[in-house]
Amino acid sequence: DAGITQSPRYKITETGRQVTLMCHQTWSHSYMFWYRQDLGHGLRLIYYSAAADITDKGEVPDGYVVSRSKTENFPLTLESATRSQTSVYFCASSEHTGTGNTEAFFGQGTRLTVV
Amino acid sequence: AQSVTQPDIHITVSEGASLELRCNYSYGATPYLFWYVQSPGQGLQLLLKYFSGDTLVQGIKGFEAEFKRSQSSFNLRKPSVHWSDAAEYFCAVGGYGGSQGNLIFGKGTKLSVKP
Repeated sequence: DAGITQSPRYKITETGRQVTLMCHQTWSHSYMFWYRQDLGHGLRLIYYSAAADITDKGEVPDGYVVSRSKTENFPLTLESATRSQTSVYFCASSEHTGTGNTEAFFGQGTRLTVV
Repeated sequence: AQSVTQPDIHITVSEGASLELRCNYSYGATPYLFWYVQSPGQGLQLLLKYFSGDTLVQGIKGFEAEFKRSQSSFNLRKPSVHWSDAAEYFCAVGGYGGSQGNLIFGKGTKLSVKP
């Protein structure tokens, strides 16, 4: 299916466990992003990637790891989950042109609960 | 620093009434401006965008927004609200020269609609 898909949609994990959230897009967009959404904070950028094998930190990167070996995939790993990482995670992609951003397209989100 | 401010956390309007959601931005370069809507449990959907040209832009679902450079604002409007418009609305800014290639989001305005 065309678009951007996240998996799983819901996840419950225990403190200290490693968990990976998957993101796949079919547009071949160069840019991909991970945001977390928390009440009162809106969307905060965790990590982003401008192309395959190029990643960089966003506003709240601590405790997260990303990789991008293929253009279409951008997994987000919580190396040792903490309760403060309970959140809704959104993956997005966009085609940043030489003259600026185009719009970002968002996945449906992954609701992660750390117990 | 680049930022987006949505002054109203929560707005309630009656069905059929007009709506205006406020958005102010701080951006050092030419801004590209966006409004997204998020229904409960869903990802973000683009309502409209402004890149250049006519400062009044039309979007989906009967929404429009006006870019006012002198006021650094990009307010979202709708002449007659429908119950299905109840959702959270996010303003975002990006553009050439913007850091990281990502969009910077406001914290959102939750819209409730009274019958």
